[in-house]
Amino acid sequence: NAGVTQTPKFRILKIGQSMTLQCTQDMNHNYMYWYRQDPGMGLKLIYYSVGAGITDKGEVPNGYNVSRSTTEDFPLRLELAAPSQTSVYFCASKDLDEAKNIQYFGAGTRLSVL
Amino acid sequence: AQTVTQSQPEMSVQEAETVTLSCTYDTSESDYYLFWYKQPPSRQMILVIRQEAYKQQNATENRFSVNFQKAAKSFSLKISDSQLGDAAMYFCAYRSTGNQFYFGTGTSLTVIP
Repeated sequence: NAGVTQTPKFRILKIGQSMTLQCTQDMNHNYMYWYRQDPGMGLKLIYYSVGAGITDKGEVPNGYNVSRSTTEDFPLRLELAAPSQTSVYFCASKDLDEAKNIQYFGAGTRLSVL
Repeated sequence: AQTVTQSQPEMSVQEAETVTLSCTYDTSESDYYLFWYKQPPSRQMILVIRQEAYKQQNATENRFSVNFQKAAKSFSLKISDSQLGDAAMYFCAYRSTGNQFYFGTGTSLTVIP
């Protein structure tokens, strides 16, 4: 009963480094989302996907890239990390069926860019 | 873009009492969904309650209920018989027709024993 799994849980990056945040779900959900949560703030949508091969920008996509080659996986790529990307990142998934209109969240990845 | 506003950064309630958290939103859509999420210190996002905009009846989940005023674009959360375990950040969220989600800035709820 894994649900949405994010790795790693914590990471410290140096300015200019790159990394990939991993997200996988085992519920066969079509929709997947990446959010960031800055201290004391709500979640802001970075990118989302409505299915394999399809991705769209959210509110704050600059500095990030995503891909969706399978239904299960939705990795988030940070190129040239900047201090402004210090945040907690959440991945979520949702079923296509409107009757099951619930997002399931991962436990989050805390990223610090120093 | 849709916006979600939570005007109460912090709220407190005595154990066993009732508290209401406020949320307003701005949208031009007629078909959407609204949610309240709870985020305890563990950071895990937990769905508390949801409301479909086309439903006039307010959603209820045990001690949690909402007051959905569509014309006023208001969506408040009422917690009855507050318990210590209710202490957390609460986020109001809006789901657009295009399945994008927008979150408010949150209300930190303290439950006083």
